[in-house]
Amino acid sequence: EPEVTQTPSHQVTQMGQEVILRCVPISNHLYFYWYRQILGQKVEFLVSFYNNEISEKSEIFDDQFSVERPDGSNFTLKIRSTKLEDSAMYFCASRRQGGGDGYTFGSGTRLTVV
Amino acid sequence: EDQVTQSPEALRLQEGESSSLNCSYTVSGLRGLFWYRQDPGKGPEFLFTLYSAGEEKEKERLKATLTKKESFLHITAPKPEDSATYLCAVQRSSNTGKLIFGQGTTLQVKP
Repeated sequence: EPEVTQTPSHQVTQMGQEVILRCVPISNHLYFYWYRQILGQKVEFLVSFYNNEISEKSEIFDDQFSVERPDGSNFTLKIRSTKLEDSAMYFCASRRQGGGDGYTFGSGTRLTVV
Repeated sequence: EDQVTQSPEALRLQEGESSSLNCSYTVSGLRGLFWYRQDPGKGPEFLFTLYSAGEEKEKERLKATLTKKESFLHITAPKPEDSATYLCAVQRSSNTGKLIFGQGTTLQVKP
């Protein structure tokens, strides 16, 4: 069964450092997403990406965040200057056009900012 | 404002003891309601999508139903392997496909 692959599974970084979280969506999917889940809280939408541009972003997704699909297969989330409150699980998701069978989520990257 | 509320927050069942999880939602223009299962430290795993009131879907011991204001996930004769957090999410009628999640119901099934 096709999977969304995320790397690394766990990343520890110092406050103020830049991090890049990587995702390989399912190959025939067209819509890509990043969500995050702070420990014990809801899964929160960050950004959606379609046709090589951001289609919607949340209030959380400020100037410190950016996304890119550099080579047609990878989908990355960059946090320019990490803060303690960025510590969370970050999930990548993708869906086909229409998405009738639901979005497929990756297994996540646990980001710990120290 | 769009909102998804799940109840109860936690549920403990004995193996074989059937029950239901509730998801109440307020959204302007529902395109779809999704149920996911999430195991600790893992990503959400897709279970069902429901699109219109009256719709029902089943998978093994799980059955999801939808009304205009809420959805239920019925678990019949649960087994310990059904223990997980069950997430409900809604999608508005927009092309971006953003999902709005509830806080989840953590189910524990004891043998």
